[in-house]
Formats: sequence, C-alpha cells, structure tokens
Amino acid sequence: AQSVTQLGSHVSVSEGALVLLRCNYSSSVPPYLFWYVQYPNQGLQLLLKYTTGATLVKGINGFEAEFKKSETSFHLTKPSAHMSDAAEYFCAVSSWNNNDMRFGAGTRLTVKP
Amino acid sequence: DGGITQSPKYLFRKEGQNVTLSCEQNLNHDAMYWYRQDPGQGLRLIYYSQIVNDFQKGDIAEGYSVSREKKESFPLTVTSAQKNPTAFYLCASSMEARTNAEAFFGQGTRLTVV
Repeated sequence: AQSVTQLGSHVSVSEGALVLLRCNYSSSVPPYLFWYVQYPNQGLQLLLKYTTGATLVKGINGFEAEFKKSETSFHLTKPSAHMSDAAEYFCAVSSWNNNDMRFGAGTRLTVKP
Repeated sequence: DGGITQSPKYLFRKEGQNVTLSCEQNLNHDAMYWYRQDPGQGLRLIYYSQIVNDFQKGDIAEGYSVSREKKESFPLTVTSAQKNPTAFYLCASSMEARTNAEAFFGQGTRLTVV
C-alpha cells in the first residue's frame, strides 16, 4: 500500500523567505509523486509532478520539488514566498500498480508581510 | 473549456435524508474519483471508477453509493447510513488509472447536515 506523510500541518514564513514543505512517501514500487495547491473552498490545482527522469521538477508559480529515493522524500520549495502563496498544499502518490491516488493530510502555508 | 463540474456548491441535508452530489467531466477521462475532505485529515478516498459501469470502494465507502452509467458522469449519493456526512466533497478525474497522469479536480461541494 502506498502512503504519504506531510511533516508539519502548519508552516509560517515571512514574505520573501524560503518556503519548504516536507513530504515523505511509502511505496513498494517506483512512485509517481504530485504536489497540489488548494485555495479556500476550491478544488485542488496541480503544482508539479514527478514520474521518471530528472529528479528536480519545476512547477508553476516558481515552485520546485526534488525526488530523493534514498530518503523517500519529495519536498516542495520556493526561494521567495509571496503573499499569494498562502494556501493549503497536498502531496500525493500513485503508481503503475495502483488504481488510485493517495494524499497527505496537507500543510497550511501562511505568509506574513 | 474542458473541466470538471460539481454541483451544487453548497448543499444542506436534514438528518435521515439521502442526497446526491453531481460530478460531470468533459475531459474524456476514463478514471473518476470521489474524495472527502475534513480539516486536518487530507483527502480520503470514497469511491473510484476506472471505466463505465465499474467502480470500487475506497477507504471510507460506508454510507455512500455511486454509479457510472456514462463516461462523463460519476454521481455520489450520501445515504442516511452515513453518520457524519458534513464535509467538503471533491470529485476528480484522470486520463486513466495506473498511469502517471495527474488528477483534475472539481471545485467541490460543501455538504452540511442541519
């Protein structure tokens, strides 16, 4: 069975500071990994995904994530936070032998002026 | 524009009533999913369907039912057997299951029991 653990339910950063949201996964086969963002009372929007190939993945809005197999991690980063980045972020995992996508509990990002 | 449409956006239900949440997609996706979202618990899978006329239970299927009579539609019924139905419900679709395809989400339906 696959699973995802997001470390830290709330993260607060100052505007212009580095954003780091942590995600660790568990999968018995090579995983497909995703980061989604959710604004209040809305659905989820894909930020980026890792399937195969390059382990550093760039997404929308200046976000990127690095797949580290040895650490079973897929942490999301952004060099400089904007106020508009305040939202909830979800890490998710799927694979070729699973029929569904599993999500973490989410991390709420607050950006202080 | 292609996408997933959930309706209604807000829904109120009296205890003991069944309600049906609508989910329609025009992305020509084979796979469709229903998730329930509660604060601090992330998204939990209720049901999913890989193809028309076929669906499987997710982790929290008790008290819910679905149908997949058309590729475009995957309605969710919250029955009176669901003891705590107040939540935010999200429908999603992907090109097909067991691939690296991402899921596309609707805007959600917030269900409140009154």
